[in-house]
Amino acid sequence: RKEVEQDPGPFNVPEGATVAFNCTYSNSASQSFFWYRQDCRKEPKLLMSVYSSGNEDGRFTAQLNRASQYISLLIRDSKLSDSATYLCVVNHGSWGKLQFGAGTQVVVTP
Amino acid sequence: GAGVSQSPSNKVTEKGKDVELRCDPISGHTALYWYRQSLGQGLEFLIYFQGNSAPDKSGLPSDRFSAERTGGSVSTLTIQRTQQEDSAVYLCASSPRAGLEQFFGPGTRLTVL
Repeated sequence: RKEVEQDPGPFNVPEGATVAFNCTYSNSASQSFFWYRQDCRKEPKLLMSVYSSGNEDGRFTAQLNRASQYISLLIRDSKLSDSATYLCVVNHGSWGKLQFGAGTQVVVTP
Repeated sequence: GAGVSQSPSNKVTEKGKDVELRCDPISGHTALYWYRQSLGQGLEFLIYFQGNSAPDKSGLPSDRFSAERTGGSVSTLTIQRTQQEDSAVYLCASSPRAGLEQFFGPGTRLTVL
């Protein structure tokens, strides 16, 4: 079983709609969580950090469910510019290596 | 402010040659990471430096790969006797300290002919 698993998608979303997707992690000792977005042929860019039960940043909401070991990302009022691959990232503890998921592709259509 | 920079942005080399890739992290960041990403694939962890501690080399795919970090700042990833399967984008990231958010450079696209 992979340490961080994501549905690869693609999630095809009409412009203005809401899309949500999850990421599951295997290590119950994981302490911090992040969502990154990666555009085609570009480097990953930090979207949100998720340090407690969740947080919201504009149209983006991340939630953490420690009991079920997953984090979710919800995008409201989708824009064409939201089309990207969203990477779920997990830190297991004091050791600094972050575990990256393979990504969920989101395609927002006009 | 200045982000992570990498050079060169593109590198084309012949099979069997050695290459050096450079990363300048964000000033003050103590943790530095190297990853590679093949086309359409996820990130593959290579090596991680934290301050003056011994680096974590657990992700290096073979002994042809090595990396240094001088003075706790600039890092160089060296690939000796390059092979075609080494072709990928090599990404560097830095973090204020281990376990926190990582900030990525634009990457070096390596093509081995």
